[in-house]
Amino acid sequence: EDQVTQSPEALRLQEGESSSLNCSYTVSGLRGLFWYRQDPGKGPEFLFTLYSAGEEKEKERLKATLTKKESFLHITAPKPEDSATYLCAVQDYYGGSQGNLIFGKGTKLSVKP
Amino acid sequence: DTAVSQTPKYLVTQMGNDKSIKCEQNLGHDTMYWYKQDSKKFLKIMFSYNNKELIINETVPNRFSPKSPDKAHLNLHINSLELGDSAVYFCASSQGRRRNTGELFFGEGSRLTVL
Repeated sequence: EDQVTQSPEALRLQEGESSSLNCSYTVSGLRGLFWYRQDPGKGPEFLFTLYSAGEEKEKERLKATLTKKESFLHITAPKPEDSATYLCAVQDYYGGSQGNLIFGKGTKLSVKP
Repeated sequence: DTAVSQTPKYLVTQMGNDKSIKCEQNLGHDTMYWYKQDSKKFLKIMFSYNNKELIINETVPNRFSPKSPDKAHLNLHINSLELGDSAVYFCASSQGRRRNTGELFFGEGSRLTVL
């Protein structure tokens, strides 16, 4: 069964304090791994897609990396506006979960000024 | 101009009632979805639908039914509401399903509270 586990559940950082969020996954075959950001009271917003181990994507202070078992979302010198819940999702190449995205429970990031 | 819009944003109702949530997308996408986010913030797929294929998550009770009058709309009907149906329901769309890039566009959610 496809599975996505994110850690930590919550992370509090001071502004400028870099850190990483983890996403571990289990799928029959990984078609893609996706990162989303969700603000309170809003729907998730797409950030990145990663397809193969070793791949990296960057956007402003965020960098996503992928290995065969997990992905990391690195946040460099975060600002208060980076506070949000970050969701990881996977898509199974062999059609597990009918090809739909399977989401983890998310990491709630709080960045204090 | 909102890409994926859902109405209502908040819905409070009694157990046993029937209710609907509407969703519209103006992105020209061919696939739409309904996701449920429970109190633990776990986002779970309920349905995915394009004009050829409806895929239902087997764990979804048959009290829930999607109805699509056209490609831009996917409404969610819920019969005989139960307390456990209380959650935030998100509509989303994408271009393609099995072969999409994983970029789903979500609405802002509809918070359903069943009393």
